Amino acid sequence: SQKIEQNSEALNIQEGKTATLTCNYTNYSPAYLQWYRQDPGRGPVFLLLIRENEKEKRKERLKVTFDTTLKQSLFHITASQPADSATYLCALVKVGSGYSTLTFGKGTMLLVSP
Amino acid sequence: SQTIHQWPATLVQPVGSPLSLECTVEGTSNPNLYWYRQAAGRGLQLLFYSVGIGQISSEVPQNLSASRPQDRQFILSSKKLLLSDSGFYLCAWSVSYWGYMNTEAFFGQGTRLTVV
Repeated sequence: SQKIEQNSEALNIQEGKTATLTCNYTNYSPAYLQWYRQDPGRGPVFLLLIRENEKEKRKERLKVTFDTTLKQSLFHITASQPADSATYLCALVKVGSGYSTLTFGKGTMLLVSP
Repeated sequence: SQTIHQWPATLVQPVGSPLSLECTVEGTSNPNLYWYRQAAGRGLQLLFYSVGIGQISSEVPQNLSASRPQDRQFILSSKKLLLSDSGFYLCAWSVSYWGYMNTEAFFGQGTRLTVV
């Protein structure tokens, strides 16, 4: 069966350090992968999309890598700030006949301490 | 610009009562629409998706149903709620390219449903 795995344990880091979150998947061949941020009691907010032919994507302090051989994506936040504390979700596109949907991992909670 | 409205924000309902959650999207046409549920300690589970008016597909068999009476309106319903229906319900939309999502999904603020 298809699985998306994210580290279920919270990641605690000090302000200013780089946070690295991992997303592993099995039995998928996604055309692209997405990362979202979710704050408590709110809906997820889109951060970055990376396509299968892209190795790396950057947006300000965010960087995503996508290794289709390892079936893994890494999500980096450089110079992390307490405001970056949230749950980060990895999502893959599931494609059917005439439709496509997003399947999400359970997310990793990031806690950035001052 | 596009916006998505979802209501109510919180809801407490007794077991066996009906449910109706509504979601509307503004500023776009023919979007793909989705209902997700997030139970405590669990990830986002896709419940229903729709690529057009009256076209509903279910991902998980359950006590819920969905309808899309208008292009930008998506409704989640239940005739009789169960305790297990408690959770955080999220509506989302995406740009549709012949039914396929072209880019990201945009989520509403969610409805916290507690069945007592």
